[in-house]
Amino acid sequence: AQSVTQPDIHITVSEGASLELRCNYSYGATPYLFWYVQSPGQGLQLLLKYFSGDTLVQGIKGFEAEFKMSQSSFNLRKPSVHWSDAAEYFCAVAFRNAGNMLTFGGGTRLMVKP
Amino acid sequence: DGGITQSPKYLFRKEGQNVTLSCEQNLNHDAMYWYRQDPGQGLRLIYYSQIVNDFQKGDIAEGYSVSREKKESFPLTVTSAQKNPTAFYLCASSQQMHGYTFGSGTRLTVV
Repeated sequence: AQSVTQPDIHITVSEGASLELRCNYSYGATPYLFWYVQSPGQGLQLLLKYFSGDTLVQGIKGFEAEFKMSQSSFNLRKPSVHWSDAAEYFCAVAFRNAGNMLTFGGGTRLMVKP
Repeated sequence: DGGITQSPKYLFRKEGQNVTLSCEQNLNHDAMYWYRQDPGQGLRLIYYSQIVNDFQKGDIAEGYSVSREKKESFPLTVTSAQKNPTAFYLCASSQQMHGYTFGSGTRLTVV
C-alpha cells in the first residue's frame, strides 16, 4: 500500500532560522508530490507541487521543495522562517496509476520561537 | 472567485441526532472528498466521489453517509451511529492530477 511518512511530528525553530521538513513516500510509480499548510481552525492551502521536470520547485510564501527519487523524498525548505509560518504542514503523494487520490502524511506541527 | 464553501463553520449536535454538513464547489471539479481531522491524527478519509451519482467509502465511513446528486454538491450526514463525532471536518475537490482544493472546514461538537 502507498504510504507517506513525515518523521517529525513537532519542530521548533527560531524566527529567522532555516527550516527543513521531511517527507518520504513508499516506492511506487512516478509520483505527483504536494505540500500543504494548515493554520489552526482552517482548511489546507497548497504551498507547492511537483509533477515533472526540474526537481527543485518553488512555492508560495518563500517555500521550496526538492524531489529526490533515489531517496523517495520530497523535503520542504525555507531559508528564513517568519513567526507567521507557525502552522501544520502536510505532505501528500499521488501515484500515476492510482487516479487522482492523494495519500497524506501525518503532518508536522511547526512552532516558531521569537 | 472559484472555491469550496463549507457550512456551517461551527455545528453542535445533541446525542442521537443526525446532522448534515454542507460542501459546495464552483470549480467544476469531478471529484470530491470528505476528511475527518482529530488532534494529532492527521487527515482520515471518510467518503469520496469521483463522479456524480457515485461514491465510495474511505477508511472511516462507519456512522456517516453522503450523496452526490449534483456535481457541485457533496453533503455529509453524521448519523447517530457515529459514536464519537466531535471533530473537524474538511471537504475537498480535485480535477485530474492537480491536487486538492480544500474548504475551510466545519467543527462539529456533540453537546
